[in-house]
Amino acid sequence: EAQVTQNPRYLITVTGKKLTVTCSQNMNHEYMSWYRQDPGLGLRQIYYSMNVEVTDKGDVPEGYKVSRKEKRNFPLILESPSPNQTSLYFCASSPGTSIYGYTFGSGTRLTVV
Amino acid sequence: TQLLEQSPQFLSIQEGENLTVYCNSSSVFSSLQWYRQEPGEGPVLLVTVVTGGEVKKLKRLTFQFGDARKDSSLHITAAQPGDTGLYLCAALNSGGSNYKLTFGKGTLLTVNP
Repeated sequence: EAQVTQNPRYLITVTGKKLTVTCSQNMNHEYMSWYRQDPGLGLRQIYYSMNVEVTDKGDVPEGYKVSRKEKRNFPLILESPSPNQTSLYFCASSPGTSIYGYTFGSGTRLTVV
Repeated sequence: TQLLEQSPQFLSIQEGENLTVYCNSSSVFSSLQWYRQEPGEGPVLLVTVVTGGEVKKLKRLTFQFGDARKDSSLHITAAQPGDTGLYLCAALNSGGSNYKLTFGKGTLLTVNP
């Protein structure tokens, strides 16, 4: 089944403890992206990647890092999480042409206390 | 960043009624996508519209792209409880690259039996 897999689905952590949210897609998609979704603010793009080793900042990149060492994987790294990073995070992938949309993962609900 | 305004923000209707939700911007879109999101899940692509004036139908859902490619609408005929969800429009940047996708804040639709 074609899908984007995120792990973990739920995570509660403490301020300052480094964490990684993994994302993997099995569709050989070129483009991958991370979004966060917050009440009243909608979905906002954190980082995106056009291909292996090619990444760029989205609209809200502060406090996050990403890497794209393989085409299928696009992990999101929070080096020193803070409470304002409590959110619902989505990874998504796309073949890259405008007619195709993004396929989203099921989300990771992160709480930083 | 293109600003996408969706209206209404909330909509609660009875089963069998018709409804229209809107997505507007002051910018011209290269293309626009509509997604539907259920609670606790990632958005799922419904349709992509590319050409000004384009109309696409998906069963009881009709999507229209404005002639000037600055606005779009989603019309649902004879709504059913299964249509309940958050409807999101998303636009590509002016270059048409699929990695820089900006979302509106969505319309939360509730269809009551």
